[in-house]
Amino acid sequence: KNEVEQSPQNLTAQEGEFITINCSYSVGISALHWLQQHPGGGIVSLFMLSSGKKKHGRLIATINIQEKHSSLHITASHPRDSAVYICAVANTDKLIFGTGTRLQVFP
Amino acid sequence: KAGVTQTPRYLIKTRGQQVTLSCSPISGHRSVSWYQQTPGQGLQFLFEYFSETQRNKGNFPGRFSGRQFSNSRSEMNVSTLELGDSALYLCASRPGVGNQPQHFGDGTRLSIL
Repeated sequence: KNEVEQSPQNLTAQEGEFITINCSYSVGISALHWLQQHPGGGIVSLFMLSSGKKKHGRLIATINIQEKHSSLHITASHPRDSAVYICAVANTDKLIFGTGTRLQVFP
Repeated sequence: KAGVTQTPRYLIKTRGQQVTLSCSPISGHRSVSWYQQTPGQGLQFLFEYFSETQRNKGNFPGRFSGRQFSNSRSEMNVSTLELGDSALYLCASRPGVGNQPQHFGDGTRLSIL
């Protein structure tokens, strides 16, 4: 069993829909990261959180430390949100990555 | 401020050769981490350097090595290349260690023939 599990693996949505991507982990962590990877490979760090909730524009990330679970929400999704979203946990100061969620948003 | 720069962007090698990849971190960042991304294994941590010292290492064979220079630029080296080393190699920098966001480069895509 992977130490970091993401669901779903693939997600398609119509523009404007509310999106939720989930991440569960089984190891102790000091922080959880949400990353976005576009075709071509470049990775952008969206959030780093160790408790509670963070919001940036249309993106919201939450974490429940007791349940070892985090969610990434995208409100009013747009085709430019199409990317792979990766959850990563910091364990002994090393990042352990989930397998990613491929999101496609259609106009 | 310039971002993390990785060179080269693409590289083709044959089995048995060795390769050196370069990473220039964001100015002022002293920590550089390297990652391997493959379709089968996803993203995996290779190693991290801070102030010219390797402070963390992932579960990779000794053919994978790295170093960091006094200006924080880092190189990783893979010797005796195998077909399975074909991957996207990403580096990321952050100001120091501990819980800080990482800033990723665009990666070097290495293909082994």
